[in-house]
Amino acid sequence: EAQVTQNPRYLITVTGKKLTVTCSQNMNHEYMSWYRQDPGLGLRQIYYSMNVEVTDKGDVPEGYKVSRKEKRNFPLILESPSPNQTSLYFCAARGGNEQYFGPGTRLTVT
Amino acid sequence: GENVEQHPSTLSVQEGDSAVIKCTYSDSASNYFPWYKQELGKRPQLIIDIRSNVGEKKDQRIAVTLNKTAKHFSLHITETQPEDSAVYFCAASIRYSSASKIIFGSGTRLSIRP
Repeated sequence: EAQVTQNPRYLITVTGKKLTVTCSQNMNHEYMSWYRQDPGLGLRQIYYSMNVEVTDKGDVPEGYKVSRKEKRNFPLILESPSPNQTSLYFCAARGGNEQYFGPGTRLTVT
Repeated sequence: GENVEQHPSTLSVQEGDSAVIKCTYSDSASNYFPWYKQELGKRPQLIIDIRSNVGEKKDQRIAVTLNKTAKHFSLHITETQPEDSAVYFCAASIRYSSASKIIFGSGTRLSIRP
């Protein structure tokens, strides 16, 4: 079964405390992305990766980092989280045109 | 830059009536237009898509139409049912290009009134 998994699913943290949200896919897809979803703004791409060791900025990359050391994993790193990064985050893996989303991570930064 | 506009942002229809959501895109190179449905608390899931060499595609109660000249595409849901209540996202992309981004619209919250 095609799967994209994310952890954690829910996270409450404080300003400035570094955190990582993991993402893993079992479909051997080359293209992976991170999105954030905010009310009225839809899905905005943060970073994407076209293959191992190839990453690029999306529309809203400020305050985020990513890495792609293996094809299956694409973690999202917030070095110093701030309250404006409170959001719902989705990882996605794309093969051809079908894009599969992970279950989402709801992050609250206080 | 590339942009996808989606309207309306909210839509409420009587059960059994039809619902229409409209999108426009800016990148004339876009040739693939998927629609995603996101139920409350869940991830977006692909429900239907259309390629630019096709003007209309239908799958049971759902249909999509594309006007490439006007850069418009629409989602039509007929005989709406309570389970159609969700947020719907349109998107535009370049097919067969893993290097291309999928640009999403801002979403439409569809509510079906009993």
